[in-house]
Amino acid sequence: SQQGEEDPQALSIQEGENATMNCSYKTSINNLQWYRQNSGRGLVHLILIRSNEREKHSGRLRVTLDTSKKSSSLLITASRAADTASYFCATREGFKTIFGAGTRLFVKA
Amino acid sequence: DVKVTQSSRYLVKRTGEKVFLECVQDMDHENMFWYRQDPGLGLRLIYFSYDVKMKEKGDIPEGYSVSREKKERFSLILESASTNQTSMYLCASSLLDTYNEQFFGPGTRLTVL
Repeated sequence: SQQGEEDPQALSIQEGENATMNCSYKTSINNLQWYRQNSGRGLVHLILIRSNEREKHSGRLRVTLDTSKKSSSLLITASRAADTASYFCATREGFKTIFGAGTRLFVKA
Repeated sequence: DVKVTQSSRYLVKRTGEKVFLECVQDMDHENMFWYRQDPGLGLRLIYFSYDVKMKEKGDIPEGYSVSREKKERFSLILESASTNQTSMYLCASSLLDTYNEQFFGPGTRLTVL
């Protein structure tokens, strides 16, 4: 399996609900990043959490990092239809950024 | 507003053609990357460059080459396009510090017939 694997692969929720996506990775990291990709578009950086941080907030986004379990979670609160997208976690491996396969989130209006 | 642009959103080519995908960034970034994205496989790094005329192979460089003659421009070349190179191609750039975020272009969806 790959560095930075997201879980679940797909998630469908109602507008207003919270969405939680998880990411597991294999090697030691300095930081972990989350990106969003709207259908057929490029990726947009959402948030970066450093290895010495346990939690970070940005607007309706909350990211946690557990380095002992090599896992991270992205929580989107009070979801909106516009949050419909794919979400990727990304970690560094040497000079490369490794992206997982992503979680596809669908928010129903 | 920071920007990474790619020359085409959609491209259709025939097997055996030489294909050029262009990427331009206006942020004076040192690093530039080319990825391909396929369903279920996520993003895979083809090549990256950390300076003008410098390039490094990524995970899947076979069948591709790159050119970086100017800092703002990074070109991906398919020497002889094949049907298995049908994919979404994404260009990205970042500052030299490898822990910085990457900025992505909108992508080029290439179909090779």
